[in-house]
Amino acid sequence: GAGVSQSPRYKVTKRGQDVALRCDPISGHVSLYWYRQALGQGPEFLTYFNYEAQQDKSGLPNDRFSAERPEGSISTLTIQRTEQRDSAMYRCASSLNLRGSYEQYFGPGTRLTVT
Amino acid sequence: GESVGLHLPTLSVQEGDNSIINCAYSNSASDYFIWYKQESGKGPQFIIDIRSNMDKRQGQRVTVLLNKTVKHLSLQIAATQPGDSAVYFCAENGGRGGSNYKLTFGKGTLLTVNP
Repeated sequence: GAGVSQSPRYKVTKRGQDVALRCDPISGHVSLYWYRQALGQGPEFLTYFNYEAQQDKSGLPNDRFSAERPEGSISTLTIQRTEQRDSAMYRCASSLNLRGSYEQYFGPGTRLTVT
Repeated sequence: GESVGLHLPTLSVQEGDNSIINCAYSNSASDYFIWYKQESGKGPQFIIDIRSNMDKRQGQRVTVLLNKTVKHLSLQIAATQPGDSAVYFCAENGGRGGSNYKLTFGKGTLLTVNP
């Protein structure tokens, strides 16, 4: 079946612009997670949703970062007034969370480059 | 595709040999641990997990060992194949009663399998 999808796969933007990254989780998955991954490093937690409720946003670096999942399915991670330090791979994952199945399935990521 | 192998600990093995990848975790409260495999240009892929009430768990060609005394996790891959070449990450959940939502990933190890 279809896995987690993310769009765009690559985004180049100028410093100061806003960007919106989209995540389409596996159908029926309760939880959705956003991570940021620097080259050569493991993913770093940003935020997490159960259905449409944002449960934890403690990993968001600052208030320029926000995320939403209004209908409990697709999620958008928005970065306002982008800075060069925001350049990274942004990954989304989803998990079923039923009967102890917490395995997170990762998407292919969006490579963000801020020039 | 992107490279996730820069500046990582590396392990090089011959095809058919057994591989052991080690990970030291930091949070003694963590009660759920996962190993992920990440191939170049792809998102992390779940391999196997283990809860803190176990010290060993086996999957298909893989075994995870957990030593809580020294906060050490290892992944053993039997009869390593070229398709096993990837970066391997361990992750811990920080002890949230078995939920795994906020994973903290280790630095990763690059496994190279020589034919």
